[in-house]
Amino acid sequence: EAEVAQSPRYKITEKSQAVAFWCDPISGHATLYWYRQILGQGPELLVQFQDESVVDDSQLPKDRFSAERLKGVDSTLKIQPAELGDSAMYLCASSPAPGQGYEQFFGPGTRLTVL
Amino acid sequence: TQLLEQSPQFLSIQEGENLTVYCNSSSVFSSLQWYRQEPGEGPVLLVTVVTGGEVKKLKRLTFQFGDARKDSSLHITAAQPGDTGLYLCAGADNDMRFGAGTRLTVKP
Repeated sequence: EAEVAQSPRYKITEKSQAVAFWCDPISGHATLYWYRQILGQGPELLVQFQDESVVDDSQLPKDRFSAERLKGVDSTLKIQPAELGDSAMYLCASSPAPGQGYEQFFGPGTRLTVL
Repeated sequence: TQLLEQSPQFLSIQEGENLTVYCNSSSVFSSLQWYRQEPGEGPVLLVTVVTGGEVKKLKRLTFQFGDARKDSSLHITAAQPGDTGLYLCAGADNDMRFGAGTRLTVKP
């Protein structure tokens, strides 16, 4: 069964360091999402891609966060420099259709701890 | 900004009991989704509801979308330990917003 792959599963870093997360969506899914989920809260959308283009990055803290999906397939989310408040689960999801309301398939997430 | 409020925040019950969790908003959604998330994993979609008043059943789970498409409920009949998890609702309009979830624990 096709799944969304994410790596690493866990990352521990010190504040001010750079971190990067990778996501490989389900093959053929044009829409890719990055979410941040703080413990005890629901996922919060950071950025949405349609193919290689950013559709929505209004909630992405652009001073330290960046995301790319150069070939419209896999994607990388980077944080530089990491801050203590960035500790969270970072989830990637993909969807076969553009727009909201369509089923999103989530990966297992990357648990980030910033010390 | 659409705000989805889920209640209760935590729920602990015995196996075999029935329960209902709620998802409320002041905004109208074109569709609403329910997900279940287990610790250390990503959310898994349970159902999508799109029509006001719609009721969908998935085995022991019954989902209802409010007539005004602002709220939804999830009812579980005869809960089992395998139902334990975080239940998230997500409303879609111009974008998708998740609630904070209801953390359900079903004790054997």
